[in-house]
Amino acid sequence: KAGVTQTPRYLIKTRGQQVTLSCSPISGHRSVSWYQQTPGQGLQFLFEYFSETQRNKGNFPGRFSGRQFSNSRSEMNVSTLELGDSALYLCASSLEVAGYNEQFFGPGTRLTVL
Amino acid sequence: QQQVKQSPQSLIVQKGGISIINCAYENTAFDYFPWYQQFPGKGPALLIAIRPDVSEKKEGRFTISFNKSAKQFSLHIMDSQPGDSATYFCAAIRQVGGKLIFGQGTELSVKP
Repeated sequence: KAGVTQTPRYLIKTRGQQVTLSCSPISGHRSVSWYQQTPGQGLQFLFEYFSETQRNKGNFPGRFSGRQFSNSRSEMNVSTLELGDSALYLCASSLEVAGYNEQFFGPGTRLTVL
Repeated sequence: QQQVKQSPQSLIVQKGGISIINCAYENTAFDYFPWYQQFPGKGPALLIAIRPDVSEKKEGRFTISFNKSAKQFSLHIMDSQPGDSATYFCAAIRQVGGKLIFGQGTELSVKP
């Protein structure tokens, strides 16, 4: 079974621009979560989507948004990019059945803001 | 209350030795505690996980010890190998409406 895929793998943008990142979950997984990873702040939760609805949101400004499509694929968007948005953005999917839903991570998208 | 504190930040172990990484949490609502392993250029991969009703879980060379009263849990890597060199993250989640809360990570280097 294919793992979580994220595109693109690398992005370079300049301040003020916006960016859209894409995530395809493992087949059959309906929950998709996004995380930001930086050397200073570590791994921080951005938001989680389930059945096209945002179910959970972290403490990030409104410039960070996301959505999920009917096939469970998800996108996240960052508008008005700032230097501090440079990070590895990770997507994770889970099966969402009763019990403990393990999250499986993709390889991430490395975003550099100049 | 949402924090998970992880130590040490970095760890150097000789091949064949035991690597020990510790984590502490505050929120007693957490009910699932996974450990992730991350290699450079890769996303975190689930290594082993434990629920708070179990005090220890072992999978191969990896063991989680869990102390519910102290709100602490640790990862032990027995017979550490150079291939184990990676960054390890502990995490905690409250499964009902949960989001993973990660520790700051431990960079493990196993010397041959």
